Amino acid sequence: AQKVTQAQTEISVVEKEDVTLDCVYETRDTTYYLFWYKQPPSGELVFLIRRNSFDEQNEISGRYSWNFQKSTSSFNFTITASQVVDSAVYFCALSEAEPQGAQKLVFGQGTRLTINP
Amino acid sequence: ETGVTQTPRHLVMGMTNKKSLKCEQHLGHNAMYWYKQSAKKPLELMFVYSLEERVENNSVPSRFSPECPNSSHLFLHLHTLQPEDSALYLCASSQVPSGSTDTQYFGPGTRLTVL
Repeated sequence: AQKVTQAQTEISVVEKEDVTLDCVYETRDTTYYLFWYKQPPSGELVFLIRRNSFDEQNEISGRYSWNFQKSTSSFNFTITASQVVDSAVYFCALSEAEPQGAQKLVFGQGTRLTINP
Repeated sequence: ETGVTQTPRHLVMGMTNKKSLKCEQHLGHNAMYWYKQSAKKPLELMFVYSLEERVENNSVPSRFSPECPNSSHLFLHLHTLQPEDSALYLCASSQVPSGSTDTQYFGPGTRLTVL
């Protein structure tokens, strides 16, 4: 069965600090997909990144970076030089390959990130 | 309107009421999803519609009844709910099949309170 674990329930840092959100997953499939979503106070889940299991290259997008390591089943998310607007709940999610149909996302519990000015 | 919209944004209802949540996607997608987000549980997938056919029903109680009249609209009909059904209900859409996995895009949710 699939499972996603975000061990950090809440993180609080001061603005401009770097912060890493951890995500560990479990799956029996060799083909799967990992996602990060951001949920600001407004409630909407905002898509941040998708990574497939065959692509272990790390990715950087502005102040955001992701470290995917299959050896440890982890897909960690780092925010560099954090800003108050980064305050939100962040979710890591996993789906197994569904080539012909709709995917079924399994979410972690989420990490509430608070950036203090 | 762009993206995925949901109405109403907030809903308070009694246990004997009947109400409906509405979701509309403006992304040209052909799959739609209902999720439940409660305070003490991770996001839970409730229903999946792909090409207007229900393909997933995750042991959801019958007091929740989904309807997908076309690929752009999704409803969740509610009746005789319980207080523990109070939660944020999120709708999402995606495009299938896509050769590789699709990405789900979410609406802002409906905050439901059952008294």
